[in-house]
Amino acid sequence: SQQGEEDPQALSIQEGENATMNCSYKTSINNLQWYRQNSGRGLVHLILIRSNEREKHSGRLRVTLDTSKKSSSLLITASRAADTASYFCATGGIYGQNFVFGPGTRLSVLP
Amino acid sequence: GAVVSQHPSRVICKSGTSVKIECRSLDFQATTMFWYRQFPKKSLMLMATSNEGSKATYEQGVEKDKFLINHASLTLSTLTVTSAHPEDSSFYICSARDRVEYGYTFGSGTRLTVV
Repeated sequence: SQQGEEDPQALSIQEGENATMNCSYKTSINNLQWYRQNSGRGLVHLILIRSNEREKHSGRLRVTLDTSKKSSSLLITASRAADTASYFCATGGIYGQNFVFGPGTRLSVLP
Repeated sequence: GAVVSQHPSRVICKSGTSVKIECRSLDFQATTMFWYRQFPKKSLMLMATSNEGSKATYEQGVEKDKFLINHASLTLSTLTVTSAHPEDSSFYICSARDRVEYGYTFGSGTRLTVV
């Protein structure tokens, strides 16, 4: 069953602004990942954060993880029109279970 | 980095026919691959876990006789949609993992349209 829940479901911003997406989950996890999907395409892995990490950076991406609140956030700084896509969080269980995905956040970056 | 090749990218078939989708790990071996289905503007729904050399594990509600999975080698898993119907029209995606820190690598997906 789906346990990752992204928030908001849709986000529209101007180019140059920052975009923040949140993800909540229900069970204990080993790690959490964020993926990006362009319309009609496969998913691209963006970043993985382990359960013992609190923050991770990759280029313009910043991911935080709060295991006490069972939540994560993805921040995209200085957004570009090319960042327009759907973003999904996925959780991996502590026993190596399959990743389960939330419904995703559809980000639109307007030029 | 790890690459997963999925083929075909698009397929249109008539009701009642079967369609085979291939998922290959190009530069790594994958004992486990995953098959997902995605409805428009929705998230991915895990259908089954494909295990090399053994039977696939299907998620609840997924008909194993409808969606046949074969994982004959460490680099190839196939999903066959048997006796396809229009309601099977969807976007199907496979994934596999090389190393944990790389996350899961996804195929580019297959758009199936049953007419």
